[in-house]
Amino acid sequence: GAVVSQHPSRVICKSGTSVKIECRSLDFQATTMFWYRQFPKQSLMLMATSNEGSKATYEQGVEKDKFLINHASLTLSTLTVTSAHPEDSSFYICSAEGQGTDTQYFGPGTRLTVL
Amino acid sequence: GENVEQHPSTLSVQEGDSAVIKCTYSDSASNYFPWYKQELGKRPQLIIDIRSNVGEKKDQRIAVTLNKTAKHFSLHITETQPEDSAVYFCAAPRISGGYNKLIFGAGTRLAVHP
Repeated sequence: GAVVSQHPSRVICKSGTSVKIECRSLDFQATTMFWYRQFPKQSLMLMATSNEGSKATYEQGVEKDKFLINHASLTLSTLTVTSAHPEDSSFYICSAEGQGTDTQYFGPGTRLTVL
Repeated sequence: GENVEQHPSTLSVQEGDSAVIKCTYSDSASNYFPWYKQELGKRPQLIIDIRSNVGEKKDQRIAVTLNKTAKHFSLHITETQPEDSAVYFCAAPRISGGYNKLIFGAGTRLAVHP
């Protein structure tokens, strides 16, 4: 149980384009999902908290207009990196928290490379 | 807000030895402390967690201890095996806006040599 999928696993795009990443909880309903960014050999940095049916809350320093988050259902959250630039290249990982629990289960991550 | 510090940043042991990783946290209200294992290019996987109403929890070769007074918790791996080699992250919650957001330590790169 508690399986989280993420798609795509890897994406390469040109500077200026937008990229959408999907995060799905496959066998449980996730009221809350989290989006993290991880640079090579570094820790996970929380970007935003996504709650089904309401607006996402962003961590300090994260531009909400650049990283659009939509939590359309209890099993799906999407992160769109708009007008991507090379400095946005990173490993983006989502996690899902089950209802009534504070345990987070992580997706496999999406490696974004912006040329 | 919550601040989590993790030590050491790298740890090298011989197969069969024990490994200990320590974390400190700042928010005395924190009540949930998970440990994640991340292999290169893979997702972090929850390996064990502990809540503030207990002082120790064990699962086979892995154990976690919690000292609420000192605000630190530790991961203990006994009889290490090469497949234990990975980066380990501790975390503590920061309650913000009604959500339990996890703040992660910087990670410990564990290398187990055969």
